Amino acid sequence: AQSVTQLDSQVPVFEEAPVELRCNYSSSVSVYLFWYVQYPNQGLQLLLKYLSGSTLVKGINGFEAEFNKSQTSFHLRKPSVHISDTAEYFCAVSLYNQGGKLIFGQGTELSVKP
Amino acid sequence: DTAVSQTPKYLVTQMGNDKSIKCEQNLGHDTMYWYKQDSKKFLKIMFSYNNKELIINETVPNRFSPKSPDKAHLNLHINSLELGDSAVYFCASSPTSANIQYFGAGTRLSVL
Repeated sequence: AQSVTQLDSQVPVFEEAPVELRCNYSSSVSVYLFWYVQYPNQGLQLLLKYLSGSTLVKGINGFEAEFNKSQTSFHLRKPSVHISDTAEYFCAVSLYNQGGKLIFGQGTELSVKP
Repeated sequence: DTAVSQTPKYLVTQMGNDKSIKCEQNLGHDTMYWYKQDSKKFLKIMFSYNNKELIINETVPNRFSPKSPDKAHLNLHINSLELGDSAVYFCASSPTSANIQYFGAGTRLSVL
């Protein structure tokens, strides 16, 4: 069975500091990988995706992620965070030929402090 | 214009009632989904429809019945509501079943 593990449930960080949100997945078949962000009381917004090609993908709001197939990881990074980045971040996988369903990790709450 | 819209945004009801949540997308996508987010913010897929045809049903109780009158709409009807149904329900759509999904703002259901 496929699964997604976000290793940190909460990540507090000061403004302008770098941040890494960790994500590992388990799957016996090829996957697509995604990071979504959920601001308070809002829906999910796509940050970035890995479908194929270059393993370093850049997304919106200065975020990037690197797909590491050997370590089955897809960690999200930002070199300098802002207060406005405070939100819940979800890593997700979608399986080839599985109807497109997303399997989500548990979420990581990023809290940026001044 | 909102791409994926859900109504209502909030729904408060008593145990045992029947309620519906509506979802509409104006993106021209073929595939639509329903996800449930529990109190711990864990997201899990419930259903997926492709061109009005059910393609995913993730062991959801029979009290939940999705209906897709056309490919732009996927409604969720819930019978005999239980306390455990309290959650945020998200609708999503994608151009094909393997592509990026676009989410609605969610419907917060509270069963008292």
